[in-house]
Amino acid sequence: GEDVEQSLFLSVREGDSSVINCTYTDSSSTYLYWYKQEPGAGLQLLTYIFSNMDMKQDQRLTVLLNKKDKHLSLRIADTQTGDSAIYFCAESMDRASKIIFGSGTRLSIRP
Amino acid sequence: GAVVSQHPSRVICKSGTSVKIECRSLDFQATTMFWYRQFPKQSLMLMATSNEGSKATYEQGVEKDKFLINHASLTLSTLTVTSAHPEDSSFYICSARDLTALGRGTDTQYFGPGTRLTVL
Repeated sequence: GEDVEQSLFLSVREGDSSVINCTYTDSSSTYLYWYKQEPGAGLQLLTYIFSNMDMKQDQRLTVLLNKKDKHLSLRIADTQTGDSAIYFCAESMDRASKIIFGSGTRLSIRP
Repeated sequence: GAVVSQHPSRVICKSGTSVKIECRSLDFQATTMFWYRQFPKQSLMLMATSNEGSKATYEQGVEKDKFLINHASLTLSTLTVTSAHPEDSSFYICSARDLTALGRGTDTQYFGPGTRLTVL
């Protein structure tokens, strides 16, 4: 079955890099996503990666995919207070299919 | 980007009553919408896939008679929580799929801001 797992909490110092990890079980997953949810708000797509890619970089965000281990990570460089949110890892078989979400990782920033 | 709205944003009701939540795609047609439930410990659970003009597809463990879904038009899906109980209190989020986005290479699913349901 489909399962996406993440650690629940991460605390980093402002200015450091944050790395949020995720594992998934469905080997047919073709698209892997990172969403951000700020307090009281809906989900915002941060980035997504195809399963045939190893890495994708977009400004401060770097996504790494290890397809063999079914491991996905999101690195946020120079973490700022505005990055405080819940980050969801998610997967789908294709971009038209349902998206399965992980439990989310709450990122908190300390001064 | 495309906009999806939900109404109401917050609702409080008495136990035993029914509550309807609307999900609208504002600037695109959505043949498919998805309903999620977010639990207090953050996890987002897919409840059902709502297809315009046909019956919704429910995920395992979701009671279809409890959570009625109607997708009567290409821009509106509704979720009705029937005979609500305190354990139904949750944050309900919908998403709408824009198939035209596939060709543009952009995101195809857009999420609403969510509806906070509290059942007393």
